[in-house]
Amino acid sequence: EAQVTQNPRYLITVTGKKLTVTCSQNMNHEYMSWYRQDPGLGLRQIYYSMNVEVTDKGDVPEGYKVSRKEKRNFPLILESPSPNQTSLYFCASSLWRTGNLYNEQFFGPGTRLTVL
Amino acid sequence: DQQVKQNSPSLSVQEGRISILNCDYTNSMFDYFLWYKKYPAEGPTFLISISSIKDKNEDGRFTVFLNKSAKHLSLHIVPSQPGDSAVYFCAARNAGNMLTFGGGTRLMVKP
Repeated sequence: EAQVTQNPRYLITVTGKKLTVTCSQNMNHEYMSWYRQDPGLGLRQIYYSMNVEVTDKGDVPEGYKVSRKEKRNFPLILESPSPNQTSLYFCASSLWRTGNLYNEQFFGPGTRLTVL
Repeated sequence: DQQVKQNSPSLSVQEGRISILNCDYTNSMFDYFLWYKKYPAEGPTFLISISSIKDKNEDGRFTVFLNKSAKHLSLHIVPSQPGDSAVYFCAARNAGNMLTFGGGTRLMVKP
C-alpha cells in the first residue's frame, strides 16, 4: 500500500530535550516536506527536500532541522524544543514537478507534539 | 501576511443542499489551486485541483471555480452528504511543487 508513515503519532516532552520525528514514504517520491498545523493558520511549511541531500527552508524553519540521506526518509529534528513548537506536524511527499501538471502531495497521519 | 485566506472558519449545511467553501489569494504567480480534505486524526487528502488557466473543474459532486481577476476560488459540493463533514483546506502552488495553505473551513453536514 502506497503511504507516508510518521512516528511517533503522539509525543509529550519537556523544553530543551532533543527529539526526532521520523517520516518515511514508499512511493519513490523525490519531493518531501514537513508542515505544522496550528488553529486558524492552516498548514505552514517548515522544510522541504527536492531530492537526496537537497533541502531548503520553508516559511517557518526556525528551531527545526532536517536531513535527507535516503530517498524514502525525511526526519524532522528539534534540537531544543520550546513550548511554541507545540503543534500538529505533517510529513508529505510527491513526485517532483513534471511540466505543468499538479503532482498530488500525499500526507502522513500526523504527529501531535506537546512541549511542556 | 497570509497569501491564501479562508475567511469562514466553519460552515453548516443540511444534507442534500449545496456547500460552498470560499478562498481568496493575493499572489498572482500561483499556477495551481487545490482543495484538501481532512478528517480528525488523519492527514489531509487531495480532493480536486484547478490550473490557473482554467475557470472551472468538475469531479463528480465537487466543482472548483476560479476567478482570477478577483483572486478568488470556491469549492461547490452538490449534494452535500454527512460523510463530507471535515475540515477543507484551500492551497495554492507557486515555485516547484510548494504549497501555501489557507487556514481551513470546518464543514458540518447535518442529516
